[in-house]
Amino acid sequence: DVVMTQTPPSLSVAIGQSVSISCKSSQSLVYSDGKTYLHWLLQSPGRSPKRLIYQVSNLGSGVPDRFSGTGSQKDFTLKISRVEAEDLGVYYCAQTTHFPLTFGSGTKLEIK
Amino acid sequence: EVQLVESGGGLVQPGSSLKLSCVASGFTFSNYGMNWIRQAPKKGLEWIALIYYDSSNKYYADSVKGRFTISRDNSKNTLYLEMNSLRSEDTAMYYCAKWPGTGAFDYWGQGVMVTVSS
Repeated sequence: DVVMTQTPPSLSVAIGQSVSISCKSSQSLVYSDGKTYLHWLLQSPGRSPKRLIYQVSNLGSGVPDRFSGTGSQKDFTLKISRVEAEDLGVYYCAQTTHFPLTFGSGTKLEIK
Repeated sequence: EVQLVESGGGLVQPGSSLKLSCVASGFTFSNYGMNWIRQAPKKGLEWIALIYYDSSNKYYADSVKGRFTISRDNSKNTLYLEMNSLRSEDTAMYYCAKWPGTGAFDYWGQGVMVTVSS
């Protein structure tokens, strides 16, 4: 199985600051079609997960452009510029290149 | 507006069975694959099953293979998860999630709780 390692497990940030979350996979996430199926999700407190970014760097519908994703092969980063209060929650990376589909263990973002 | 509404959860004893449903609306259900993903209390997300739009392919996590069955009825816009031989470690919130062409989970239901306990 592809292991997704997310760091840090938690972070606390003030409103307006920027943060980055790392996600590293145990195998390359490039599929045979040349695309990389690495995605980012946010689970706000008491809510279902919501897709933020798909295929490394594509913003989901309605997601503000303060969110951005970069990376390739096995090393990926989610960046949140100018953090807002509504950004608190747990962020997960997910890979859908290989079965079984797997998630990172999550990064809990708290607002100072 | 895309909506996914799960139902069928509850408290059951170890070894028993349960069938979850997920009713979809706001999109052409028969065009998309669908997933079941679960989250144990205070834990992270675990993918458990995927079914293609036409039921031609089904995939399972090893933790549920042979015990759980994913299915769908496109005429009813409904996704199912039949769970047999339930164990305490199956206790979790179960979500259905839509599988778009981009290969991500673009819409999720609100979840349904399954508790396996004697």
